[in-house]
Amino acid sequence: LAKTTQPISMDSYEGQEVNITCSHNNIATNDYITWYQQFPSQGPRFIIQGYKTKVTNEVASLFIPADRKSSTLSLPRVSLSDTAVYYCLGYGGSQGNLIFGKGTKLSVKP
Amino acid sequence: EPEVTQTPSHQVTQMGQEVILRCVPISNHLYFYWYRQILGQKVEFLVSFYNNEISEKSEIFDDQFSVERPDGSNFTLKIRSTKLEDSAMYFCASSSGTSGSEQYFGPGTRLTVT
Repeated sequence: LAKTTQPISMDSYEGQEVNITCSHNNIATNDYITWYQQFPSQGPRFIIQGYKTKVTNEVASLFIPADRKSSTLSLPRVSLSDTAVYYCLGYGGSQGNLIFGKGTKLSVKP
Repeated sequence: EPEVTQTPSHQVTQMGQEVILRCVPISNHLYFYWYRQILGQKVEFLVSFYNNEISEKSEIFDDQFSVERPDGSNFTLKIRSTKLEDSAMYFCASSSGTSGSEQYFGPGTRLTVT
């Protein structure tokens, strides 16, 4: 998952479902797909992780097609507090350091 | 919920001075990391630490940087002689496992070098 591509920014309105897609064409067989969230002046925070098909938790859903070359983070009914940068990323090195890209800046408007 | 803490929240120092940034990882975690984020840029990996030694380090982590786990709870990042370009937000993170394990980040220390 070394190189990922995701939109630089997205706008949404409160109550809408937001889908952010990430491309990771060079994903390795044993790579997990992981999404983090970062609010301004705060540390990144884990949202969700998956390997294939669909994963859902109390915050989001993650959809991964069979070829695993992309993934879609789905945030149901966003609120103003979901305004943040969302990162699709992978792990590097022998100890799994996170490799961050520029992420997608989501702006939720009232 | 357990959390990673960092002190100080903001450090201002003069160029050439030494700074030590402190972190208290989550108590049962074994893997520790430092990342930095220059204002407006992406989060960058600096170093990972396991079993009381550095596991991996990036090109950014040159001889001016060092890490230490002086006791069973603290994890520190030292910058020996700060440069203007070291100004950034420094995040400590910890996890219970390696690749695939959730990393818990602290709130960060904003370092300003003048």
